[in-house]
Amino acid sequence: DTAVSQTPKYLVTQMGNDKSIKCEQNLGHDTMYWYKQDSKKFLKIMFSYNNKELIINETVPNRFSPKSPDKAHLNLHINSLELGDSAVYFCASSWKGETQYFGPGTRLLVL
Amino acid sequence: GEDVEQSLFLSVREGDSSVINCTYTDSSSTYLYWYKQEPGAGLQLLTYIFSNMDMKQDQRLTVLLNKKDKHLSLRIADTQTGDSAIYFCAETAGGYNKLIFGAGTRLAVHP
Repeated sequence: DTAVSQTPKYLVTQMGNDKSIKCEQNLGHDTMYWYKQDSKKFLKIMFSYNNKELIINETVPNRFSPKSPDKAHLNLHINSLELGDSAVYFCASSWKGETQYFGPGTRLLVL
Repeated sequence: GEDVEQSLFLSVREGDSSVINCTYTDSSSTYLYWYKQEPGAGLQLLTYIFSNMDMKQDQRLTVLLNKKDKHLSLRIADTQTGDSAIYFCAETAGGYNKLIFGAGTRLAVHP
């Protein structure tokens, strides 16, 4: 009965590949987010969707494309992976922009 | 602009109180949050405070908010080894309340 889940937990891939990370929440929330945590543990928002509509799009390379098929899911697709994309990616959800609950993270390593 | 600052390290003896400090810049933040991250784990919501409050207590945790100085603190009473983690302060910013995180305070609890 995990509230916010992400798959995969770990992802190791070569430079230039395309990969996707999936996120699902069963909290009935209407807003979902992607955050990136770098090697120094610094966390920064990337995207947010409210009711399947993109509402926050920070300065992120357009190799990153979020997709929300429904309110409970928010996926992140990354094209042409680069070394600098190595990080932990966290999904979060909230009800109407209130308290955000985070998933366990996806640890991406680009070789 | 949006910025949150925290001291990077804190070391305390088991049983003592820990106080983690944070300053933020966005005076329109509705809520201010404390999240905890244990090694290799996700972000766990610890507590939050509404901007019109100046104190909130939750068992061993006490949050103090000084809105005039834009200063937030988290006090952990009777600190235990299980409290060793990174503690992130976060403010909400923007219409959909994206979280702006501090760099995190690494709390080490020693016997």
